[in-house]
Amino acid sequence: DVVLTQTPVAQPVTLGDQASISCRSSQSLVHSNGNTYLEWYLQKPGQSPQLLIYKVSNRFSGVPDRFIGSGSGSDFTLKISRVEPEDLGVYYCFQATHDPRTFGGGTKLELK
Amino acid sequence: QIQLVQSGPELKKPGESVKISCKASGYTFTDYAMHWVKQAPGKGLKWMGWINTYTGKPTYADDFKGRFVFSLEASASTANLQISNLKNEDTATYFCARRGRNGTYYRFDYWGQGVMVTVSS
Repeated sequence: DVVLTQTPVAQPVTLGDQASISCRSSQSLVHSNGNTYLEWYLQKPGQSPQLLIYKVSNRFSGVPDRFIGSGSGSDFTLKISRVEPEDLGVYYCFQATHDPRTFGGGTKLELK
Repeated sequence: QIQLVQSGPELKKPGESVKISCKASGYTFTDYAMHWVKQAPGKGLKWMGWINTYTGKPTYADDFKGRFVFSLEASASTANLQISNLKNEDTATYFCARRGRNGTYYRFDYWGQGVMVTVSS
């Protein structure tokens, strides 16, 4: 199975700061069709996960442009510029290139 | 608007069975696969598998083969998850999430609100 390792496990931030979350895969996430199916989800306390980014760098409808996904192969990053209160929660990366699909362990974005 | 509405919380004893539902509305049910995700209390997300809503064929991750069954009531735009012979470690919140077949829509864009299943004697 593909293992997605997220770092850090917790990211203390001050509102207005930039935050960066890493997601490293145990193998390349490039599909045989050339696409890379790496997604980012945010789960706010008591809520369902919500889609932020799909195929590495595509923002879902309504997601602010302060969320930027990047990376390739097996190394991916989610950057959040100018963190706002509604950005707090747990961030998960997810890969849909290989079966079984897998989630990263999560990164909690919290206030310092 | 697009919604996935799941059934209510369940309290069960070990060895019992539970069936939870995920009713879709606002889109053509068979155009999107339905996936299931488990979240144990205080833990991360775990992908359980998915069901092809067009053919009814389920696919299970290894940890969810045997006691877990995905099914459909397509006429009611509903996907179901049944867990038999419940164990304490099945205590979790179970989410359904729709996923497009390919291209731009190949992502979990809508999720159910989750169903908390508690297994306790």
